[in-house]
Amino acid sequence: EAQVTQNPRYLITVTGKKLTVTCSQNMNHEYMSWYRQDPGLGLRQIYYSMNVEVTDKGDVPEGYKVSRKEKRNFPLILESPSPNQTSLYFCASSPGTGRNTIYFGEGSWLTVV
Amino acid sequence: AQSVTQPDIHITVSEGASLELRCNYSYGATPYLFWYVQSPGQGLQLLLKYFSGDTLVQGIKGFEAEFKRSQSSFNLRKPSVHWSDAAEYFCAVDPRRNNLFFGTGTRLTVIP
Repeated sequence: EAQVTQNPRYLITVTGKKLTVTCSQNMNHEYMSWYRQDPGLGLRQIYYSMNVEVTDKGDVPEGYKVSRKEKRNFPLILESPSPNQTSLYFCASSPGTGRNTIYFGEGSWLTVV
Repeated sequence: AQSVTQPDIHITVSEGASLELRCNYSYGATPYLFWYVQSPGQGLQLLLKYFSGDTLVQGIKGFEAEFKRSQSSFNLRKPSVHWSDAAEYFCAVDPRRNNLFFGTGTRLTVIP
């Protein structure tokens, strides 16, 4: 089954404690991205990757890092989380070119206290 | 500036009534267009998409959307709303770069 899998789904953490949200897709997609969803703001793109070792900033990259060492994985790293990073995070993937549907993971609820 | 606008933050309709959710975009060329639905506490589900061709697009759950190039709009419609349609609806635009840009969403409440 085609899937984008995120972990953890729910996390409460403290300010400054580094955390990583993993994202894995089993569709051999080239393109992957991360979004955050906040009330009244919709979904905003944090980072995206067009292929292995190719990443670029989205609209709200501050406070986040990503890496794309292998095609299937695209982890989101919060080196020093702050309360304003409390949000719902979605990972997405697509084949990368042409008329493609973008597939989303189920979301990760992150609370920073 | 490039943008996706959903002018209605919250809409309330009676069950059985018709529904139209508005979406306008501002991009140079005709982008790919999508509608997603998010039920409370859930992820995103794709309702329908438009790439090219017929401007009236049919989706799942009885939804349809019409692309109007002259108005840069992609409004979502449903002739008869069911209580289970209560959710938040997002219009999204892909300006052919495989990056989705979302509107701020419209929350739909359905009253019996």
